[in-house]
Amino acid sequence: EAGVTQFPSHSVIEKGQTVTLRCDPISGHDNLYWYRRVMGKEIKFLLHFVKESKQDESGMPNNRFLAERTGGTYSTLKVQPAELEDSGVYFCASTQGLVTNEQFFGPGTRLTVL
Amino acid sequence: AQSVSQHNHHVILSEAASLELGCNYSYGGTVNLFWYVQYPGQHLQLLLKYFSGDPLVKGIKGFEAEFIKSKFSFNLRKPSVQWSDTAEYFCAVNGNQGGKLIFGQGTELSVKP
Repeated sequence: EAGVTQFPSHSVIEKGQTVTLRCDPISGHDNLYWYRRVMGKEIKFLLHFVKESKQDESGMPNNRFLAERTGGTYSTLKVQPAELEDSGVYFCASTQGLVTNEQFFGPGTRLTVL
Repeated sequence: AQSVSQHNHHVILSEAASLELGCNYSYGGTVNLFWYVQYPGQHLQLLLKYFSGDPLVKGIKGFEAEFIKSKFSFNLRKPSVQWSDTAEYFCAVNGNQGGKLIFGQGTELSVKP
């Protein structure tokens, strides 16, 4: 069974540019989560999709971040325009059910904004 | 406010030493508790989890954790560490309905051969 995949693994952009991160969850997993870890800090929740619907987007930092999951399969997270403080590692995780199922994490995308 | 606190930022041990990593949480209601590990160059993976029942849970690679409800704690233990346990360890919590995880700051464990 393929795991959660994320693309790209690294991205270096300049302040003001746009970046789109992609996450492919494990096939059949309805629940998809985005998290972010800023250097030296804890991993923080950004948002949660159930299929194509946003279940909880309480962790999205501001309106420069836009997440989509068209068709309920892969998800994208766009940052536009990027700021210095957006640098960090963006993780995606998926799970089939909610209550007792572990979240399976992807390898993360390391974003550096210069 | 919901939060998780890990007591140690960086722990250095020699092989065969015993390990205990502290984790305390603040969360209203029934909780699910997790320990995840990230080995160098790898993705986060689940070590063990507690949902209900026996508060002493056993995970992979000889790790175990004990849920002490009265202390809001879920400490991770291993009686004898190996060099291959060098990694970053994360304690996390969510509510009994599942959903988003709240993570601690992470503890880097370095095991000297």
